[in-house]
Amino acid sequence: RKEVEQDPGPFNVPEGATVAFNCTYSNSASQSFFWYRQDCRKEPKLLMSVYSSGNEDGRFTAQLNRASQYISLLIRDSKLSDSATYLCVVLRGPNTNAGKSTFGDGTTLTVKP
Amino acid sequence: DAGVTQSPTHLIKTRGQQVTLRCSPKSGHDTVSWYQQALGQGPQFIFQYYEEEERQRGNFPDRFSGHQFPNYSSELNVNALLLGDSALYLCASSLTGRPNIQYFGAGTRLSVL
Repeated sequence: RKEVEQDPGPFNVPEGATVAFNCTYSNSASQSFFWYRQDCRKEPKLLMSVYSSGNEDGRFTAQLNRASQYISLLIRDSKLSDSATYLCVVLRGPNTNAGKSTFGDGTTLTVKP
Repeated sequence: DAGVTQSPTHLIKTRGQQVTLRCSPKSGHDTVSWYQQALGQGPQFIFQYYEEEERQRGNFPDRFSGHQFPNYSSELNVNALLLGDSALYLCASSLTGRPNIQYFGAGTRLSVL
């Protein structure tokens, strides 16, 4: 079993739709969580951190459920430009350096007109 | 403000050869991490360099080695190349004290024939 698991998709949704991705992690000692976005044949870019209380950035909402060991990303009012692969990232331990990040294999989203 | 730069962008090698990839971190960053991303998978952590020393290492064989220079730039060396080493190699830089924020370069796409 992989340490970080994501539904690979693809998710194909129309513009304006709301879509949600989940990510599960196996190591209960994990402390920091992130969502990265990766466009086709490009480098990953940080989308948002995920905090215990949940956090929102415009149309994007991230939530963490420590008891069930999963994090989620909700995208409201999808835009064509949201089409990308979304990578879930987990760090073990509050003092673990970013270089020990464990990435999921990503969930692919395609938003269609 | 230059971001993370990597060279070369593409490389073709044959089995058994050796390769060196280069990375210049984002201005002001002192930590460099290397990742291998196979097609359809998330980035896998190779190792991280800080103060010219390897600080952490992922599950990669000794054929993978690296170096960090006084100006914080870094090299990734892979010896005795295997077909399975074909992948996108990503460099990410960060700043000690803010290790959770990583900036990625565009990567080097290595093909081993």
